[in-house]
Amino acid sequence: GQQLNQSPQSMFIQEGEDVSMNCTSSSIFNTWLWYKQDPGEGPVLLIALYKAGELTSNGRLTAQFGITRKDSFLNISASIPSDVGIYFCAGQNNTGTASKLTFGTGTRLQVTL
Amino acid sequence: KAGVTQTPRYLIKTRGQQVTLSCSPISGHRSVSWYQQTPGQGLQFLFEYFSETQRNKGNFPGRFSGRQFSNSRSEMNVSTLELGDSALYLCASSALWGEAFFGQGTRLTVV
Repeated sequence: GQQLNQSPQSMFIQEGEDVSMNCTSSSIFNTWLWYKQDPGEGPVLLIALYKAGELTSNGRLTAQFGITRKDSFLNISASIPSDVGIYFCAGQNNTGTASKLTFGTGTRLQVTL
Repeated sequence: KAGVTQTPRYLIKTRGQQVTLSCSPISGHRSVSWYQQTPGQGLQFLFEYFSETQRNKGNFPGRFSGRQFSNSRSEMNVSTLELGDSALYLCASSALWGEAFFGQGTRLTVV
C-alpha cells in the first residue's frame, strides 16, 4: 500500500532542543494531519491543516501545510521527555463520500535528559 | 466525551481460524475506518463505513470484511487467518468532514 515519505526516520535529541520533521507525497491532499503514537497505543491527533500555506500551532507544536499541497512540516520546540514516541503525518482527501487517510512512514523521536 | 473503544485489546488465534474485532465510535460520529499496522507495511487503510454503507476499501484480500450497525458501531472480520495477519488493528471515527480519532487498537497475534 501507499505510504508517504517522512523524514527523518528517527531522531535522538536532548531535552530542550527543537525538532523538525517533514512529509512529502507524489499526489495532492486537501487535508494534512499529524499524529503521535506511543507503544501499543493508537495514534493521537496533534494538529490538522486544511488550507495550502496554513501554519497552525498547538502549544509547542507548529505544523505547516505546503503550498504545493504535496508536503507538510511539523516542528516541536523545547522538547521534553514525554515527546518521545512515533510521529506520523497523514494525507486526506474528502472527495465526496471517501475520506481514507494515507500515512507517512513515521519519525521515531527519542529525547535524552 | 468517551473516545473510540476497541475490543478486545489483545487476541491470539491459530492459522485458519477467523476473528471478529469490534469498534464503538465517538458519540455522534457516523464514519468508522479500519487500519492495519505492521512493522513492515506501516499503517494501511482497510475500509471505511458511513451510515452502514462501505464507502471506500483498501487493497486487502476478500478475507477482510467489515460492517457497520445502525448505532454506528462497527465490526471487522478476518477469515482463514494467516501468520501475516498478525498486526495492530486500529479503528478511527470521524464526523462527516472531520478529523479521524483513533482507538487504542486490537493486537492480533496469529500462531
